[in-house]
Amino acid sequence: SQELEQSPQSLIVQEGKNLTINCTSSKTLYGLYWYKQKYGEGLIFLMMLQKGGEEKSHEKITAKLDEKKQQSSLHITASQPSHAGIYLCGAFSGNQFYFGTGTSLTVIP
Amino acid sequence: NAGVTQTPKFQVLKTGQSMTLQCAQDMNHEYMSWYRQDPGMGLRLIHYSVGAGITDQGEVPNGYNVSRSTTEDFPLRLLSAAPSQTSVYFCASREQGLANTEAFFGQGTRLTVV
Repeated sequence: SQELEQSPQSLIVQEGKNLTINCTSSKTLYGLYWYKQKYGEGLIFLMMLQKGGEEKSHEKITAKLDEKKQQSSLHITASQPSHAGIYLCGAFSGNQFYFGTGTSLTVIP
Repeated sequence: NAGVTQTPKFQVLKTGQSMTLQCAQDMNHEYMSWYRQDPGMGLRLIHYSVGAGITDQGEVPNGYNVSRSTTEDFPLRLLSAAPSQTSVYFCASREQGLANTEAFFGQGTRLTVV
């Protein structure tokens, strides 16, 4: 089965600071998804990366995929309280979709 | 479009009771799946389906049954609820056969087994 390890497990940052979340796969990545979950709510799709070296941005969130390293990183610039939540990476292995272990982000105003 | 709809949103069961968590999608997606989310464990795949009449087990299938009689619906059945099944359950759907398409999630069902 695919294993996706995220680091850090939790993060507390001051508003305005930049931060990075990493997702490392135990298998070759053929695509990587990032989701955000607000506490007690469902999952919100952020972006999907399909090719090695691909980089996508949505507002102040940028994600990159490094297929050689079997890794993806999610970077938030000038964090805001609205960025708080749990960030999850995910990937398919065959027909099964696996999630990462999750990163809990707290942004202090 | 309603997307993926899960019902109920909250449920309390007594040990040994049975119930069905409903999941419906209106996007004509072939692929549907069920996850449970537990603190410190992330989301784990319970069962999935790649089309009507086809289901398969995920990582943690024990204690759960599924069926897929239509493209739209993918119910999850707990045959005899146990406290270990206290969790938040998410249903998801996506297009099958297309590489790397977005998966859409329901809002979750919070289940407590006492």
